[in-house]
Amino acid sequence: NAGVTQTPKFRILKIGQSMTLQCAQDMNHNYMYWYRQDPGMGLKLIYYSVGAGITDKGEVPNGYNVSRSTTEDFPLRLELAAPSQTSVYFCASSYSVQGARGGYTFGSGTRLTVV
Amino acid sequence: QQQVKQSPQSLIVQKGGISIINCAYENTAFDYFPWYQQFPGKGPALLIAIRPDVSEKKEGRFTISFNKSAKQFSLHIMDSQPGDSATYFCAAIPDTGRRALTFGSGTRLQVQP
Repeated sequence: NAGVTQTPKFRILKIGQSMTLQCAQDMNHNYMYWYRQDPGMGLKLIYYSVGAGITDKGEVPNGYNVSRSTTEDFPLRLELAAPSQTSVYFCASSYSVQGARGGYTFGSGTRLTVV
Repeated sequence: QQQVKQSPQSLIVQKGGISIINCAYENTAFDYFPWYQQFPGKGPALLIAIRPDVSEKKEGRFTISFNKSAKQFSLHIMDSQPGDSATYFCAAIPDTGRRALTFGSGTRLQVQP
């Protein structure tokens, strides 16, 4: 099993550009999440989804959008990129709502720089 | 109310020593408390977890101590090894409201040989 696959691994954007970070999982997990990780700040929840067609805002949703048309895919859209969005983005999925069974499975991350 | 506060930010321990990382929370709705381990260039991975109905959980060299009245929990790594050098995150999730983990700010552990 591939687990959670994120693409691209690295990206440099110019201010005002847009992009989509891709996330796919092959574990048939209903729950999926997007976090951003800034140095010394831990992981902040951007958006999450409890199933296909259902998404909800996390702690830091401004400047981002998501969709969940299938169980497998959970893309994150950045509109009008700003330097404050420079970060490492992690997608994760889980079997249960708390991740008690096996925990959250994280992808390897996308390192985004906005210049 | 969603915040989980973690300390210290960084920790240096000699091989064979005990590493201790502490977390505190305010939201009494939190009812599941996992710890995640992250190596450079990788995503975090579940290490060990506890529910508030027990005061301690041990898995190998890793132990979670939980104090419900103080709203604090900690990770103890016994006989720390250089391979334990990583960033550790505590986390919590409530039984109602936002159904996703809230993470602490992380502790960078370095175990010196």
